Amino acid sequence: GQQVMQIPQYQHVQEGEDFTTYCNSSTTLSNIQWYKQRPGGHPVFLIQLVKSGEVKKQKRLTFQFGEAKKNSSLHITATQTTDVGTYFCAGPTDKLIFGTGTRLQVFP
Amino acid sequence: DSGVTQTPKHLITATGQRVTLRCSPRSGDLSVYWYQQSLDQGLQFLIQYYNGEERAKGNILERFSAQQFPDLHSELNLSSLELGDSALYFCASSVEGSGGLDTQYFGPGTRLTVL
Repeated sequence: GQQVMQIPQYQHVQEGEDFTTYCNSSTTLSNIQWYKQRPGGHPVFLIQLVKSGEVKKQKRLTFQFGEAKKNSSLHITATQTTDVGTYFCAGPTDKLIFGTGTRLQVFP
Repeated sequence: DSGVTQTPKHLITATGQRVTLRCSPRSGDLSVYWYQQSLDQGLQFLIQYYNGEERAKGNILERFSAQQFPDLHSELNLSSLELGDSALYFCASSVEGSGGLDTQYFGPGTRLTVL
């Protein structure tokens, strides 16, 4: 079946450093979604990318969808302690397949 | 607040027992999804209902079942519980039934502990 993998599994950064998580699908995706889950919280939708090569920005967050629509990345510039959490990508088949997630820890 | 409600917040029970988790979707959403998240694990899709009908099935055990009622709330029934069933169970809802295209709004989850 379809698999969506993310790397790295964990990332610890100093506040102010940049952070990137990568998402790779075993199959071509029609779109990709990103969610953030704070510690003790529930996943919250961040963004959806649909077009090949699409790049979207939300303040310090930059999302990219690969040209082949099989991979995606999330880059956070100058991390803050509020960025702590697990970031999931999710790609669809008849249902949404969530990636394995990247847990980000930010040290002040 | 996503608008999705789940009850109870916490549930502690013993092996072999049966429990029911309840979810009310956002107003206007027709689809409900159930996910299981074990400690330090990702989100495992269990099942989706759209307007009362089962739409998609994931890795849901035969001991688990779900339904969506005419008022669109959903219940997840877990029976013959085992220690390994201890997890966070999330419900999510979306407007339509195209699970892969809709934005999903997650509830706060029910933490199930099986002793």
